Amino acid sequence: DTAVSQTPKYLVTQMGNDKSIKCEQNLGHDTMYWYKQDSKKFLKIMFSYNNKELIINETVPNRFSPKSPDKAHLNLHINSLELGDSAVYFCASTTNGGGQGFDEQFFGPGTRLTVL
Amino acid sequence: TQLLEQSPQFLSIQEGENLTVYCNSSSVFSSLQWYRQEPGEGPVLLVTVVTGGEVKKLKRLTFQFGDARKDSSLHITAAQPGDTGLYLCAGAGGSYIPTFGRGTSLIVHP
Repeated sequence: DTAVSQTPKYLVTQMGNDKSIKCEQNLGHDTMYWYKQDSKKFLKIMFSYNNKELIINETVPNRFSPKSPDKAHLNLHINSLELGDSAVYFCASTTNGGGQGFDEQFFGPGTRLTVL
Repeated sequence: TQLLEQSPQFLSIQEGENLTVYCNSSSVFSSLQWYRQEPGEGPVLLVTVVTGGEVKKLKRLTFQFGDARKDSSLHITAAQPGDTGLYLCAGAGGSYIPTFGRGTSLIVHP
């Protein structure tokens, strides 16, 4: 049983197009994230949702719009794709952060986006 | 933004060697985590350290959290080819915004 799933696994598209990446978790977690991992493997948080509410937005261009229809899903829509958007995008989920820092994050397999 | 500096960035060693990876910051973290990422997959949690000075062992892996909770290390004894991967440290300060280090890419040659 896949805990955190993402679709598609690979996405190749032209500059200027609009695309979406879907994420679903079946762990019953309250918090979900989107991360971007660049070509140098740096993993940077983009957004976080807790129970469908946006709680973290780390200075991401407004061409990126996350949507959480329910707490098990967090989709990422990207408008007007640019070359610099090429990266691997990871979805992750966790239980609500407890008093001892943050809990284990469970990552999806990633979506490799290539913008031509 | 709280930064985590990892070193070294790359490590290429022979099977059986020992190695240490470092994760340093000028900020205090409430906890630090170590993840391992294999090609084409997402990171997977290895350990969480919470208490300053804490040492945790996971088979041949030893994790340490600095007394001041600003740094951590991962030591692997007698590395094996199966240890090959990208090792990432991650922390969350008071804001609970997860921050990742830039990773250490480890290759263990048979």
